[in-house]
Amino acid sequence: KQEVTQIPAALSVPEGENLVLNCSFTDSAIYNLQWFRQDPGKGLTSLLLIQSSQREQTSGRLNASLDKSSGRSTLYIAASQPGDSATYLCATGGKGAQKLVFGQGTRLTINP
Amino acid sequence: ETGVTQSPTHLIKTRGQQVTLRCSSQSGHNTVSWYQQALGQGPQFIFQYYREEENGRGNFPPRFSGLQFPNYSSELNVNALELDDSALYLCASSFSALNNSPLHFGNGTRLTVT
Repeated sequence: KQEVTQIPAALSVPEGENLVLNCSFTDSAIYNLQWFRQDPGKGLTSLLLIQSSQREQTSGRLNASLDKSSGRSTLYIAASQPGDSATYLCATGGKGAQKLVFGQGTRLTINP
Repeated sequence: ETGVTQSPTHLIKTRGQQVTLRCSSQSGHNTVSWYQQALGQGPQFIFQYYREEENGRGNFPPRFSGLQFPNYSSELNVNALELDDSALYLCASSFSALNNSPLHFGNGTRLTVT
């Protein structure tokens, strides 16, 4: 059974800093890994999707990496802004139905 | 392009009652998935519907059931509500049931069971 863990549960940094969010998973037989953003009381917004054959994906100030063999993924946020404050969730996808397994999320606060 | 819409946004029910939550998928999407997100936790997969058929189910009891309609909108029904069913219920749609098809989430329905 796949288990996804995100550490830390909460992170607070000053504006302008570069930061890394961590995600680990127990079963390396994944089809893909996704990073989502969730604002309070809202749904999820997909940020980046990495296929199992890929090592990283980039979108603007965001870069996500995937190391299947070690069961780890990181989300790198460059030059953080107060608008980046949100909960960030990673999720693994297996073959077949789109049955994503989510971590508990990291609540990120960027202080002006 | 209309995104995923869910109704109602908030709902309060009493233990033992039944509830129906609704989801309209994004235009052009034929697949709908439902997730339950308890406070402070990540979402958990309930089930997925593809072309009106259940196409995968998570570890939820049979009192959680669903439907998908010919226009690809969907309902989640929960019978015999329990206090632990209190959560944010998220619907997501995609243009195919394949795993490389991105999911688009709605804003969810917040269910409180008292």
